[in-house]
Amino acid sequence: DVKVTQSSRYLVKRTGEKVFLECVQDMDHENMFWYRQDPGLGLRLIYFSYDVKMKEKGDIPEGYSVSREKKERFSLILESASTNQTSMYLCASQQVDGNTGELFFGEGSRLTVL
Amino acid sequence: GESVGLHLPTLSVQEGDNSIINCAYSNSASDYFIWYKQESGKGPQFIIDIRSNMDKRQGQRVTVLLNKTVKHLSLQIAATQPGDSAVYFCAENIRGYQKVTFGTGTKLQVIP
Repeated sequence: DVKVTQSSRYLVKRTGEKVFLECVQDMDHENMFWYRQDPGLGLRLIYFSYDVKMKEKGDIPEGYSVSREKKERFSLILESASTNQTSMYLCASQQVDGNTGELFFGEGSRLTVL
Repeated sequence: GESVGLHLPTLSVQEGDNSIINCAYSNSASDYFIWYKQESGKGPQFIIDIRSNMDKRQGQRVTVLLNKTVKHLSLQIAATQPGDSAVYFCAENIRGYQKVTFGTGTKLQVIP
């Protein structure tokens, strides 16, 4: 089974702190994604990556950056956390040219910014 | 802008009854659709998908219907069980493009 692991389930940070959210997948998938999930808004795409060192902005990239130095790892970075970034963050991976376009999600990282 | 939306934010169903969860999409270029189930404290999980060259696809206890004329997608769950209680998301995609757009979700509550 595909496993997508997010390093932290719960984080509490202060305004202005730098935050790293790590995500690792074990199925050699080319594509990886970061979404944030907020009540009533569903899942919104922050950034995605289709290859090592490649990244593309999603719908809400402002205030975030990403890093993909290795194929299995995709990191989300909040350079200076703000209270409006309090949210659930979901990482996903996807195989290019797979039988389905299924996204495999991690269990999420709930971030609270005080 | 293009969006995927749901008609009902919360759906309560008696155990054993059938459930129907609806979704409207607006991007006429989308040609691939997926339903995800998200249980409390977990990430979304794939349920079933359908391509735009089909109007119906069946899985185990689930059926997805696609009406391209009115840009409508539905998920039918037969004989709903307590374990079906979750939030359900529809998602749309253009095959060959990485971006997947999700709807806002519908919470399904199964009444024992």
